[in-house]
Amino acid sequence: DTGVSQDPRHKITKRGQNVTFRCDPISEHNRLYWYRQTLGQGPEFLTYFQNEAQLEKSRLLSDRFSAERPKGSFSTLEIQRTEQGDSAMYLCATSHVHSYEQYFGPGTRLTVT
Amino acid sequence: AQSVAQPEDQVNVAEGNPLTVKCTYSVSGNPYLFWYVQYPNRGLQFLLKYITGDNLVKGSYGFEAEFNKSQTSFHLKKPSALVSDSALYFCAVREVPRGSTLGRLYFGRGTQLTVWP
Repeated sequence: DTGVSQDPRHKITKRGQNVTFRCDPISEHNRLYWYRQTLGQGPEFLTYFQNEAQLEKSRLLSDRFSAERPKGSFSTLEIQRTEQGDSAMYLCATSHVHSYEQYFGPGTRLTVT
Repeated sequence: AQSVAQPEDQVNVAEGNPLTVKCTYSVSGNPYLFWYVQYPNRGLQFLLKYITGDNLVKGSYGFEAEFNKSQTSFHLKKPSALVSDSALYFCAVREVPRGSTLGRLYFGRGTQLTVWP
């Protein structure tokens, strides 16, 4: 167990609905990343925080996606007006500023019907 | 652009035999290289990394990887495979250009390793 937790583990939603996922990092890890993984592919980077500052966003992160890390601890990823193409596993990873490796949570599997 | 290639979708090996999972990368700066393993319905687990120093790095569960700069490769190896090693393996690269704090990882598509008894 890496210590990164994600909630919920599974989410089924209808197209057009909004969903929000939560990630709780390993304590003292001040860097937090969101990735998306679709079947048969490796994870793709979405966005990244250092403490509460969002430092980088991928072009994959459309206007319907927003991520926050308000107090530099847990983070939320919200998808508005979900589309079937949003169906994927959403992974959260965290790392310490002095560490190169990222530690991943179990992921939230989103299914949009 | 940064990229990682894992040329084999599947690798099959008998228990007790050595295994190799291949990875090549492309970056414009210095590469930091990683291997992760993913078991069904679980997140990615970190296995090992190459940052600098010895080209042969050792990691968890008896795995090791060899960094080859001239061939831009970072193959994962294990001298004697176990059935429990059967999983999906991902190679990843993090580019570290000068003056940058970029921390994103670029992953390959993964290689499914099956070790049969």
